[in-house]
Amino acid sequence: GQNIDQPTEMTATEGAIVQINCTYQTSGFNGLFWYQQHAGEAPTFLSYNVLDGLEEKGRFSSFLSRSKGYSYLLLKELQMKDSASYLCAVREQGNNRLAFGKGNQVVVIP
Amino acid sequence: DVKVTQSSRYLVKRTGEKVFLECVQDMDHENMFWYRQDPGLGLRLIYFSYDVKMKEKGDIPEGYSVSREKKERFSLILESASTNQTSMYLCASSSREGRGTQYFGPGTRLLVL
Repeated sequence: GQNIDQPTEMTATEGAIVQINCTYQTSGFNGLFWYQQHAGEAPTFLSYNVLDGLEEKGRFSSFLSRSKGYSYLLLKELQMKDSASYLCAVREQGNNRLAFGKGNQVVVIP
Repeated sequence: DVKVTQSSRYLVKRTGEKVFLECVQDMDHENMFWYRQDPGLGLRLIYFSYDVKMKEKGDIPEGYSVSREKKERFSLILESASTNQTSMYLCASSSREGRGTQYFGPGTRLLVL
């Protein structure tokens, strides 16, 4: 089984940087995904990490430490449209299922 | 560009009705998934399928069944809808190869009265 933990909500100012953390416990790890979900819409894929380190993609970066069971998503130069829930999901070895965290709601204020 | 579509965005049904939710993907993905999403509970897996005619129970299969007669189509069936099945239902698909990134449909918001 898997246990995935994310903080529930944070507020940040437009133009700032925000870090969203995710910790996980799993019997076998085969990748970690970050998704963005705007209210009333479907989750959309943001990033993927399977090796330790930082993956950068424009204003978004994602970091993974497998030994610590820890990942974060970094959002730079925050924009109002970044107000959304950010979901962390872990894939176990040997299957195609993803186990999702409950999501971290980010509210961007002017 | 991956496209996953769901038959309805909003649906209102009465307790006891049989409900069909349809999902179609156009990327020739082997894997398809049905989730429900409720406030404070996150995404929970109901059923999934690795291939045509194959299905496996997820974490909350009770009260649901599924059908996968064609590769591109995965149906979720509520045999006798109940008020506690009021929820947002999300379908997703992924390839068996590579990372296994799941791509989601727009969701169906179901209200059972």
